[in-house]
Amino acid sequence: EAQVTQNPRYLITVTGKKLTVTCSQNMNHEYMSWYRQDPGLGLRQIYYSMNVEVTDKGDVPEGYKVSRKEKRNFPLILESPSPNQTSLYFCARRTSGFGAYEQYFGPGTRLTVT
Amino acid sequence: GENVEQHPSTLSVQEGDSAVIKCTYSDSASNYFPWYKQELGKGPQLIIDIRSNVGEKKDQRIAVTLNKTAKHFSLHITETQPEDSAVYFCAARPYGNNRLAFGKGNQVVVIP
Repeated sequence: EAQVTQNPRYLITVTGKKLTVTCSQNMNHEYMSWYRQDPGLGLRQIYYSMNVEVTDKGDVPEGYKVSRKEKRNFPLILESPSPNQTSLYFCARRTSGFGAYEQYFGPGTRLTVT
Repeated sequence: GENVEQHPSTLSVQEGDSAVIKCTYSDSASNYFPWYKQELGKGPQLIIDIRSNVGEKKDQRIAVTLNKTAKHFSLHITETQPEDSAVYFCAARPYGNNRLAFGKGNQVVVIP
């Protein structure tokens, strides 16, 4: 079964304490991305990756880092979290190949920064 | 960049009735339009999509229609059931762009 897994699913942390949210997919797809979801603002893309070692900024990249050292994993790193990064985060993968546009989301990670 | 808007923000329907959610987009070069359903506590789930070379697509009780001239596309849910209650997001992908632009979502409530 094709899956996107995220860990942890819930996280409460304090301002300034570095954290990493992991994302893994089992379909060997090139394209992965991270979104945050906030009430009234919908889904906003943070970063995306077209392939291993290829990453680029989305709409709201400030305060976040990503890495793509292997195809299956795309971790989201918050070096110094702040309360305005309290949000619901989703990782997504997109099917590969010419004309393949379908994008599938993970189950989400709810982050609270106090 | 592409701007996607959804209307209405909240829609309440009686069980068994039809629900229609409309999205407008700004970039006439957009060529892919998916709809996602998000249930409470879950990630968005792709339920149907349409490409710009097609005017309508159906899958059981759901359908999507696309009007390229007016730059809008709509999700139609027939014979609504309580399990259709969710937030629905539309999105558009401009041609040559790897990113989806999302609308802000519609809350659909099906009243038993």
